Amino acid sequence: QKEVEQDPGPLSVPEGAIVSLNCTYSNSAFQYFMWYRQYSRKGPELLMYTYSSGNKEDGRFTAQVDKSSKYISLFIRDSQPSDSATYLCAMRVTGNQFYFGTGTSLTVIP
Amino acid sequence: DAGVTQSPTHLIKTRGQHVTLRCSPISGHKSVSWYQQVLGQGPQFIFQYYEKEERGRGNFPDRFSARQFPNYSSELNVNALLLGDSALYLCASSLIYVQSSYEQYFGPGTRLTVT
Repeated sequence: QKEVEQDPGPLSVPEGAIVSLNCTYSNSAFQYFMWYRQYSRKGPELLMYTYSSGNKEDGRFTAQVDKSSKYISLFIRDSQPSDSATYLCAMRVTGNQFYFGTGTSLTVIP
Repeated sequence: DAGVTQSPTHLIKTRGQHVTLRCSPISGHKSVSWYQQVLGQGPQFIFQYYEKEERGRGNFPDRFSARQFPNYSSELNVNALLLGDSALYLCASSLIYVQSSYEQYFGPGTRLTVT
């Protein structure tokens, strides 16, 4: 079983839609939960992070962590064509390596 | 202010050859990590170096090795290349080696093709 599972999509939505991206994980010791955005032929860039459980909001982006279900989500409100990219979830146990999901490819259609 | 830089951008090698990839971290950052990203997959951790010492190693064969220099730049070496080594190799830098941390900044990657 993989440490982190992520639906690869692809996901295609109209501009202005609310996008929901999700990951599940198996290691209950994960404490740091991150979301990265990766444009084609570029390195990943950190979008948001959450420590332990709860929600975090940053502009149009909201990250949620449900440790009881081992499930994390990223919501994008009022999606824009510039949001078209691959979104990677990543997790970490304190003092250990980062584990990434496979990424979800998102296209926002104008 | 320059971000993480990697060279070369692209590389084509033949099976059995050796390759060296280079990374310069963000100025002031002392930790460098290497990742392999196969097409359609997420990055997989290979190594982390801090203050020129290896601080972590992922599940990769001994054909993969790395080192960090006094100026904190780093090299990733891969010997006896296999077709399966074709991937985007990413370098990420961190300010310090902190066990409880989430921040790392990625470079654009080196795309390696093995034929």
